[in-house]
Amino acid sequence: AQKVTQAQTEISVVEKEDVTLDCVYETRDTTYYLFWYKQPPSGELVFLIRRNSFDEQNEISGRYSWNFQKSTSSFNFTITASQVVDSAVYFCALSGEFNSGNTPLVFGKGTRLSVIA
Amino acid sequence: DTEVTQTPKHLVMGMTNKKSLKCEQHMGHRAMYWYKQKAKKPPELMFVYSYEKLSINESVPSRFSPECPNSSLLNLHLHALQPEDSALYLCASSQAYQSSYNEQFFGPGTRLTVL
Repeated sequence: AQKVTQAQTEISVVEKEDVTLDCVYETRDTTYYLFWYKQPPSGELVFLIRRNSFDEQNEISGRYSWNFQKSTSSFNFTITASQVVDSAVYFCALSGEFNSGNTPLVFGKGTRLSVIA
Repeated sequence: DTEVTQTPKHLVMGMTNKKSLKCEQHMGHRAMYWYKQKAKKPPELMFVYSYEKLSINESVPSRFSPECPNSSLLNLHLHALQPEDSALYLCASSQAYQSSYNEQFFGPGTRLTVL
């Protein structure tokens, strides 16, 4: 069975602080993909990043960075110099091998980030 | 065009009403999905269509009836709903269902209230 755990339910930070959102996953598949989605108050889930299980390189995109560590089954997301517009619910998700009979996309419970001006 | 559109944005219906939710994408994606999301919860998968055929039904009650008229359109027909069905209904699409590589693109959702 596949599982994604986001232990942080809610985080509040002051604008310009750095914040890291944790994600731990479980899967028996060799090939799998990890995703982060952002859900602002408007409701739409916005795709942020995809990472495959064979690529452990960290990625940086502007103020966003992701740290994938297979050894600890973690795929953490850091926002540098947070802004009020970063306030949203962030979901980590996992997609395993199709033939394993997995659900196409398994979501964590989400972390609600509030950035205070 | 990387957009998934959904109509209506908001819907209020009585328990005896029949209504439909609509979803459209023009990205050439061959997989489309319906999710239900309750407040402070992650999205829950309801249905998956692959090449216009129903591939997954996650034991959804028959008062929800999906339909995929063509590769760009996905409908969700609602009939005799219960107040607990009130939620945000999200549509998504991806290039293919059979590949875990493909990210899903989500629409803005329809916020449904059942009175």
